[in-house]
Amino acid sequence: RKEVEQDPGPFNVPEGATVAFNCTYSNSASQSFFWYRQDCRKEPKLLMSVYSSGNEDGRFTAQLNRASQYISLLIRDSKLSDSATYLCAVISSGGYQKVTFGTGTKLQVIP
Amino acid sequence: EPEVTQTPSHQVTQMGQEVILRCVPISNHLYFYWYRQILGQKVEFLVSFYNNEISEKSEIFDDQFSVERPDGSNFTLKIRSTKLEDSAMYFCASTGRTYEQYFGPGTRLTVT
Repeated sequence: RKEVEQDPGPFNVPEGATVAFNCTYSNSASQSFFWYRQDCRKEPKLLMSVYSSGNEDGRFTAQLNRASQYISLLIRDSKLSDSATYLCAVISSGGYQKVTFGTGTKLQVIP
Repeated sequence: EPEVTQTPSHQVTQMGQEVILRCVPISNHLYFYWYRQILGQKVEFLVSFYNNEISEKSEIFDDQFSVERPDGSNFTLKIRSTKLEDSAMYFCASTGRTYEQYFGPGTRLTVT
C-alpha cells in the first residue's frame, strides 16, 4: 500500500457544485496532515492544515479520520479559479522531518 | 508577505556537469527542505535540514546530492554529476514554528 494515496481524477464539476476529495495514509503513527493546491507547473501552496477536530476556511472544509486513516477536503460553491491539483501531505514522524505527498487530485471546474 | 525565493528559475546543463540550485528561505524560519517533481509525477521529498545539518533524507538523496547553508540566508542543493533522470522541478521549502511548509517557485532543471 502506498504511503499516501489519492484518486488522481480528473474531477470535472460545474461551477457552484460541491466536490470532495479523500486521501488515505498507511502509517497509523502519522501526526500532521495538510492540503496543498498546485497549479500547473507552479509550486504547491498551502491550502490548510487538517486538525483532529476538523477545520473550515471559507468554502473549504478539511477533516481527519484517524480510525480509517484518511483525510478529506470539501469545496463548496466551486469557482473556476478552484481548478488545480489538490495534494494531500502527511508528516509521519514527529518533528520537522519528512513530508510525504500524495500524487494529487486534479479538479477542473467548468462554466 | 515573506516568501521563499529560488534561483535560477530554469537551468540547462549537460549530463555529468555539476549544478547548484539556490534558495533563500523565509528569514525567521529554521527548517529547510528540498523536493523534486518530475514532470507529471508527484512531489518527492529529498532532504530536510535543521541547525546546519541534515535531519532526514530520502533514498533519492544519494552521494551525488549535497546541501549547504553557506551563510545566514542561502540554502543550496548541489548535484555533483547530473544524469538525464535528474531533470525535474526542484522546490525548496521552509517552515518556522509550525509544521506548515512554504514552497519557493522552483527551479526547472533540464539535463541534456
